[in-house]
Amino acid sequence: EPEVTQTPSHQVTQMGQEVILRCVPISNHLYFYWYRQILGQKVEFLVSFYNNEISEKSEIFDDQFSVERPDGSNFTLKIRSTKLEDSAMYFCASSDREGEQYFGPGTRLTVT
Amino acid sequence: QKEVEQNSGPLSVPEGAIASLNCTYSDRGSQSFFWYRQYSGKSPELIMFIYSNGDKEDGRFTAQLNKASQYVSLLIRDSQPSDSATYLCAGMLYNQGGKLIFGQGTELSVKP
Repeated sequence: EPEVTQTPSHQVTQMGQEVILRCVPISNHLYFYWYRQILGQKVEFLVSFYNNEISEKSEIFDDQFSVERPDGSNFTLKIRSTKLEDSAMYFCASSDREGEQYFGPGTRLTVT
Repeated sequence: QKEVEQNSGPLSVPEGAIASLNCTYSDRGSQSFFWYRQYSGKSPELIMFIYSNGDKEDGRFTAQLNKASQYVSLLIRDSQPSDSATYLCAGMLYNQGGKLIFGQGTELSVKP
């Protein structure tokens, strides 16, 4: 069964450093998303991406964040200068339409 | 502020019983609803989705949507210990890039 994959599973970084989280969506999907979940809290929407551009973004997704689809398979989330409060699980999801979204296993980001 | 609300639980049911999980939402523009299961430390796993008023059944799961009351529910029949997890309700608004708004989740415990 096709699935979303994410790398790395765990990323530790120092405050102020740049991180790139990588995702490979399900191959025939056209809509891509990033969510995050701070420990013990709700899953929060960050951004959606379709047809090589951002469709929607949340207030969390400020100038420190960017997304890119550098090739036909990868979808990345970059955080330019990490803060302590960016520590969370980051989930990538994909869908074949604006509907059912399938989540990857997540990347645990720890900012020290 | 668009919100999706769930009782955090824990909800405890005996094995073989029906588990009933509930969700309310504040925005009448919410178009579609999704139920995800999340095991501790894992990513959300899509169980069911519902777009229309009424009931939708899939195996042991039934989703119910009442748009007039802004209420969504998930029934799990013949509950098994393996169903013990946190159940997340998510709403999607029309024309917002597929953004999902998640509730805080209800923890379900099925006792053998």
